[in-house]
Amino acid sequence: ILNVEQSPQSLHVQEGDSTNFTCSFPSSNFYALHWYRWETAKSPEALFVMTLNGDEKKKGRISATLNTKEGYSYLYIKGSQPEDSATYLCAFNGANNLFFGTGTRLTVIP
Amino acid sequence: DAGVIQSPRHEVTEMGQEVTLRCKPISGHNSLFWYRQTMMRGLELLIYFNNNVPIDDSGMPEDRFSAKMPNASFSTLKIQPSEPRDSAVYFCASTDGASGSLSYNEQFFGPGTRLTVL
Repeated sequence: ILNVEQSPQSLHVQEGDSTNFTCSFPSSNFYALHWYRWETAKSPEALFVMTLNGDEKKKGRISATLNTKEGYSYLYIKGSQPEDSATYLCAFNGANNLFFGTGTRLTVIP
Repeated sequence: DAGVIQSPRHEVTEMGQEVTLRCKPISGHNSLFWYRQTMMRGLELLIYFNNNVPIDDSGMPEDRFSAKMPNASFSTLKIQPSEPRDSAVYFCASTDGASGSLSYNEQFFGPGTRLTVL
């Protein structure tokens, strides 16, 4: 089992604030890094798949960066809205394995 | 497209009984994944198939667990006999993927089956 760590575990921000959180993973045998958004009582929904060192991806107000050499990825949310409240999961994708972090639970307070 | 379909959505059974969970992947996807979500261990990959062939089942917890994919549109995860510690939400996901390896394309998850073993 590989160690995929996410921090912080939980986060409360005010509506309109920007925020970011971290996913740390092993830097060896790397194929891809996935970010998922998981709302309570729903299924994980893919946000990004990142494969190259230095990758930056953006979807609306959400963006992510990737550093495979040092083994971390950042997820940023600009101008948080209450509908952004969810758990954000990252997953390390090796050649033949996939390990998820425990997620960062984001609550956006109106 | 209806997305990934799982059944049943909820299952309550008694210890020792056989449980079968079902999944229909998105049409055209050639990779299928079974996950288990628990409070203690989070989301864990149990097994994945590529073109109906099991590629890696190292995440399957015990011999009581087995999974099959008889065709491109159907997969089952079976637990026999079930135990209370098997209580969890089981997700199925599908994606397009390269043959013989774990695809790193985005996965589409089904709604999950919440299993309770008494």
